[in-house]
Amino acid sequence: GAGVSQSPSNKVTEKGKDVELRCDPISGHTALYWYRQRLGQGLEFLIYFQGNSAPDKSGLPSDRFSAERTGESVSTLTIQRTQQEDSAVYLCASSRKTAVTPVAYGYTFGSGTRLTVV
Amino acid sequence: DAKTTQPTSMDCAEGRAANLPCNHSTISGNEYVYWYRQIHSQGPQYIIHGLKNNETNEMASLIITEDRKSSTLILPHATLRDTAVYYCIVRSDGLTFGKGTHLIIQP
Repeated sequence: GAGVSQSPSNKVTEKGKDVELRCDPISGHTALYWYRQRLGQGLEFLIYFQGNSAPDKSGLPSDRFSAERTGESVSTLTIQRTQQEDSAVYLCASSRKTAVTPVAYGYTFGSGTRLTVV
Repeated sequence: DAKTTQPTSMDCAEGRAANLPCNHSTISGNEYVYWYRQIHSQGPQYIIHGLKNNETNEMASLIITEDRKSSTLILPHATLRDTAVYYCIVRSDGLTFGKGTHLIIQP
């Protein structure tokens, strides 16, 4: 597609329920990133995929958070047993990445999913 | 990835040049400097990036010091629509955003 697409754009869920957030990256972009942005805060890195593998999961805040990517395309971020502190905008970005370093390509971000846990 | 330091906020008069500084003293030789901005309620938008040389595009100019330990993003003729949070990031792989600089363009 022309840009990074995220769905849903808004999600209101009850505390304790599970949610799935979806990201469709730009076709051909092998690198995919998930970020969280709480109200008034900067971007917080969550997880990074290169292809279907996640070499860096260090940013996932707890074991309630998981993510997967299939076909080097769509990625899903799952939050189990949601808590009120999970309320935030979840942003996805994709980037081309080749085997050659240094990496010089920029990122394209989606518009985010606004998650509200009530 | 190297860390970056930016002022929390800055004001600039409409029509003037906005100069946003960024310190990245731990940058390594193969790390690029990227600038993004985020207008309220939108996803971050790419502005410009560079390695060693100064860069210019239709949005902005990027001035990188010779030792690469700091850089300045220049918006040559700021407009009210340039009010946003500006993020300076340094990456070789992965991506880490700080809190950025909240630039407020005053009419």
